Amino acid sequence: QKEVEQNSGPLSVPEGAIASLNCTYSDRGSQSFFWYRQYSGKSPELIMFIYSNGDKEDGRFTAQLNKASQYVSLLIRDSQPSDSATYLCAPRTASPSGGSYIPTFGRGTSLIVHP
Amino acid sequence: DGGITQSPKYLFRKEGQNVTLSCEQNLNHDAMYWYRQDPGQGLRLIYYSQIVNDFQKGDIAEGYSVSREKKESFPLTVTSAQKNPTAFYLCATARGAEHYGYTFGSGTRLTVV
Repeated sequence: QKEVEQNSGPLSVPEGAIASLNCTYSDRGSQSFFWYRQYSGKSPELIMFIYSNGDKEDGRFTAQLNKASQYVSLLIRDSQPSDSATYLCAPRTASPSGGSYIPTFGRGTSLIVHP
Repeated sequence: DGGITQSPKYLFRKEGQNVTLSCEQNLNHDAMYWYRQDPGQGLRLIYYSQIVNDFQKGDIAEGYSVSREKKESFPLTVTSAQKNPTAFYLCATARGAEHYGYTFGSGTRLTVV
């Protein structure tokens, strides 16, 4: 069973602070990773895709990947109340039938940014 | 506009009834997927299809059935064999088998009454 572990939270940070969201995974075969944001009652939306060790930055978001430690994180700088949502980590793993890749989702971390 | 249309948005099912959730896409994506989400839980894969007329079981396929007769459409039937069907159902597409990220529909919330 491929496991994806995220702290369910809620993680509460003040407006303007850096929010740090963490994810560990069990499948050493996972080579790339997605971060999705899901607002309450809505469907997830893709915010980051990372496949190389190190950092990847996109606006206020930075994804960090450490394959040796099987750890991926998402940093949100200058957090805003509109960032309040659940953030889902999803390693891209090979499907059981082979020939394709399917994400395995963690339970997500709830982030609350308070004014 | 390209996108995914899921219908209905809300659905109520009586005990012992089969219901079908619709998912239509005009993104010209090859792969389509059905997920189930329970409160406080991650997404669990029900079924997926990489090409027309072919589909594979996911982690929780029991009590569900699908078809893929057209590239644009991937309906999900929740049968009476699914004992706890109340959940949020999400349809997603991806460009191909390599998978560089999903596009999700807006979801169907199914409740057993």
